[in-house]
Amino acid sequence: QSALTQPPSASGSPGQSVTISCTGTSSDFADSSYVSWYQQHPGKAPKLIIYEVTERPSGVPDRFSGSKSGNTASLTVSGLQAEDEADYHCSSRGVFGGGTHLTVL
Amino acid sequence: DVQLVESGGGLVQPGGSLRLSCAASGFTFSNYWMTWVRQAPGKGLEWMANINGAQNGKYYVDSVKGRFTISRDNAKNLLYLEMNSLRVEDTAVYYCARDLVGQQLVFDYWGQGTLVTVSS
Repeated sequence: QSALTQPPSASGSPGQSVTISCTGTSSDFADSSYVSWYQQHPGKAPKLIIYEVTERPSGVPDRFSGSKSGNTASLTVSGLQAEDEADYHCSSRGVFGGGTHLTVL
Repeated sequence: DVQLVESGGGLVQPGGSLRLSCAASGFTFSNYWMTWVRQAPGKGLEWMANINGAQNGKYYVDSVKGRFTISRDNAKNLLYLEMNSLRVEDTAVYYCARDLVGQQLVFDYWGQGTLVTVSS
């Protein structure tokens, strides 16, 4: 399987919403329920923020939401806050995207 | 609290070997699939290998098959990655991670990572 495709960067102003896409092939998302998203701040370990496409682990704000349509999964961050500035990685069954750097303007 | 702490990284010459360890605490280690994920400098995440609690299921990414070996000691709550025939392109931060459920390859806890540098 090839890596999933993410845009290298995204940005938004505080309070706005930003959506990050994650595109794969039909085989990448064959087990369509296993899409996950990770947030990674500089020099830190990744943190699981979305699993099974739409589920949030305990403690993750509901400003983070996930969805999937066809071969594209998406992460939406609503009500952007300064601390949301980080890298975001999508994954499907252990195949990762290249990561998207989110800048809060 | 769940904790994963990696150790064993460092500078090694091409062709050399290194063994990484990951000390787990705060959960029943033997009940979980465990995984190694790496991240080359400035790059994305790459799944390397995983192992089930019974140690009879081990899987590797093609690029490390025959060179890397994943293992675990459930009595000591330790996960290992034995790395041989190291290449410059193996330079990365190596993370151990716990699989959320079974072998979903969804990782709910990560260690802080250990840096492996392969250079002459």
